[in-house]
Amino acid sequence: ILNVEQSPQSLHVQEGDSTNFTCSFPSSNFYALHWYRWETAKSPEALFVMTLNGDEKKKGRISATLNTKEGYSYLYIKGSQPEDSATYLCALVSSGSARQLTFGSGTQLTVLP
Amino acid sequence: GAVVSQHPSRVICKSGTSVKIECRSLDFQATTMFWYRQFPKQSLMLMATSNEGSKATYEQGVEKDKFLINHASLTLSTLTVTSAHPEDSSFYICSASVGIGQPQHFGDGTRLSIL
Repeated sequence: ILNVEQSPQSLHVQEGDSTNFTCSFPSSNFYALHWYRWETAKSPEALFVMTLNGDEKKKGRISATLNTKEGYSYLYIKGSQPEDSATYLCALVSSGSARQLTFGSGTQLTVLP
Repeated sequence: GAVVSQHPSRVICKSGTSVKIECRSLDFQATTMFWYRQFPKQSLMLMATSNEGSKATYEQGVEKDKFLINHASLTLSTLTVTSAHPEDSSFYICSASVGIGQPQHFGDGTRLSIL
């Protein structure tokens, strides 16, 4: 059983603050690491798919980095806004797993106005 | 972008009822779809991989006779919870991707409550 861990479990920040959270995963048999944003009453929305060690990806104020050798990925949000409030999920795809995702339990972010 | 539609979004029914949940890819073909279950305060847990035209692949601990999966076309997979009991109450969600290495696209999920 793959162990994908996310920290912190929840986070409250003030509007305008920058924040980051961590996803750690077993580095063996790595294929890809996904990040999703899940807002209440909506479906999870894909943010990034990362495959290469050292990858950095950016989408607006959100960016992510990947270290496959040590088994972690960071998600950064710059200048948080209330609309960033959501649960952020990372998910691991292992080689040979045919696109199956193993999810972490998520980081619940609340941005206070 | 790729859209996945799932319904119903909410089901409340009596113990012993069988419940069918549909997952449709609206603007792309999905040879593979995935079904997840989420218990309160826990992560999404993969239940099974639904394969078009063949049997689903179930994860360890998931009863295939309890959770029947049918993937009869390239755009539709169904999950039937047979003879549901209160312990089957949970949040069920499906996903599909347009190809290997691509992100998953999720339905909105189904909240199942068995009385």
